[in-house]
Amino acid sequence: DADVTQTPRNRITKTGKRIMLECSQTKGHDRMYWYRQDPGLGLRLIYYSFDVKDINKGEISDGYSVSRQAQAKFSLSLESAIPNQTALYFCATQAHASTGANVLTFGAGSRLTVL
Amino acid sequence: GENVEQHPSTLSVQEGDSAVIKCTYSDSASNYFPWYKQELGKRPQLIIDIRSNVGEKKDQRIAVTLNKTAKHFSLHITETQPEDSAVYFCAASNYGNNRLAFGKGNQVVVIP
Repeated sequence: DADVTQTPRNRITKTGKRIMLECSQTKGHDRMYWYRQDPGLGLRLIYYSFDVKDINKGEISDGYSVSRQAQAKFSLSLESAIPNQTALYFCATQAHASTGANVLTFGAGSRLTVL
Repeated sequence: GENVEQHPSTLSVQEGDSAVIKCTYSDSASNYFPWYKQELGKRPQLIIDIRSNVGEKKDQRIAVTLNKTAKHFSLHITETQPEDSAVYFCAASNYGNNRLAFGKGNQVVVIP
């Protein structure tokens, strides 16, 4: 689904490096999310944003930061990557609750490996 | 916050049989319960959802049932087919905050 685009799709980096994962969407949704997926642990929320000037921590925000540059763009940064941040990262968008639409639309995922 | 648990973690079924996955939630204020399917190497996608004002919802071979008193909801897949093999995630949220809490996922394997 090209509505939510994540870059890069795959990245291998070394411990201590700064990494940015980018997400852009053409759905016009207000709400954007970053999730991390690890085998057996499901989808865990890192950060979320309900609007351009709104940033909120999720359940596992330590070691991560985000920037909502515009309604359509939400980037995730790892300031100093460590091996246990090796995971599959998903960006997702969601229409505003007033529309009655709770559905999350996920990007294709960014697989990050930290050596 | 909301805590969602899924059981069993892995489920194997013969093609044509039914599969049932159960989830429990902790927050009695939760009122929206979606199910997402993630095929191997793909992104999660919504397959069915239910709101707390109904007890059951069907869409062809899949259905979801909700028991608010017991705080659990289940996904039912009938006449399973190989393409039903995937990881299924349940989730719950309060319509007011709209933020979904996901379970850890169930691996469903349909044996031809």
